[in-house]
Amino acid sequence: DAKTTQPNSMESNEEEPVHLPCNHSTISGTDYIHWYRQLPSQGPEYVIHGLTSNVNNRMASLAIAEDRKSSTLILHRATLRDAAVYYCILRDYRGAQKLVFGQGTRLTINP
Amino acid sequence: DAGVTQSPTHLIKTRGQHVTLRCSPISGHKSVSWYQQVLGQGPQFIFQYYEKEERGRGNFPDRFSARQFPNYSSELNVNALLLGDSALYLCASSPGLADRYTQYFGPGTRLTVL
Repeated sequence: DAKTTQPNSMESNEEEPVHLPCNHSTISGTDYIHWYRQLPSQGPEYVIHGLTSNVNNRMASLAIAEDRKSSTLILHRATLRDAAVYYCILRDYRGAQKLVFGQGTRLTINP
Repeated sequence: DAGVTQSPTHLIKTRGQHVTLRCSPISGHKSVSWYQQVLGQGPQFIFQYYEKEERGRGNFPDRFSARQFPNYSSELNVNALLLGDSALYLCASSPGLADRYTQYFGPGTRLTVL
C-alpha cells in the first residue's frame, strides 16, 4: 500500500483558512487521494477525494500537485467544529475497498 | 435517513472470552467493512463483505471472523480475546464496490479486554 506522510499536529484560529499538507511521493498512476477526518468520539467522516485535478465540495478543497507527489486539504474558514484528526489516504480502486489510514494530523482550532 | 449503526457502544470482556459486534449499514448499502482502531492510531482494515461474500481481509489472525446477512447487516466475531484486542471497532458501509462510492463509518464499539 502506498504511504502518506502528514504532520502530527497543526493549529489554527477560528474563521481563518487552514492548509493541511500530505506527501505521497510513491503514489502510482491509479491511486486516488482521499481525505477523511475523525472528530472526537466519532467514526471517520469522508471529506473529499481526487485523482489529478483540484476538487471542491461544500466541506473543503483539495489541491493536488502537478506531479501528484503531494496534496493539500484546504478548509476555507475553520470553525471549532473542524477540530479533528485529518487522514490523507491513497486508495487504489483496482483492489479491495479498504482504506489504509496513517497517523493523521490532529488539527486544533483556537477561538 | 439513519447512518451506520453499531451495537453495543461499549463492551468489557476478560482475556480468553469471545465477543460479537454488530453493524447495520445505511439502507441500500450492500458492502460492509470492519476496522480496528487502537488508541492513538489510525483505523486498521480487518474485513470487507459484499453481497454476503468476503471481498477483502486485512492482516489479522484467524481469531477474527465476520459474516454478512441477507439484510446486509454484519457481525464481527473475535475469539480467545487478548489484552491487545482492546480497541474501537468501526464498521463502514458503502452502496457497492464501484470506484465512485465512498465509505460511511459508524460511531464504533469500544471493546475493553481485562
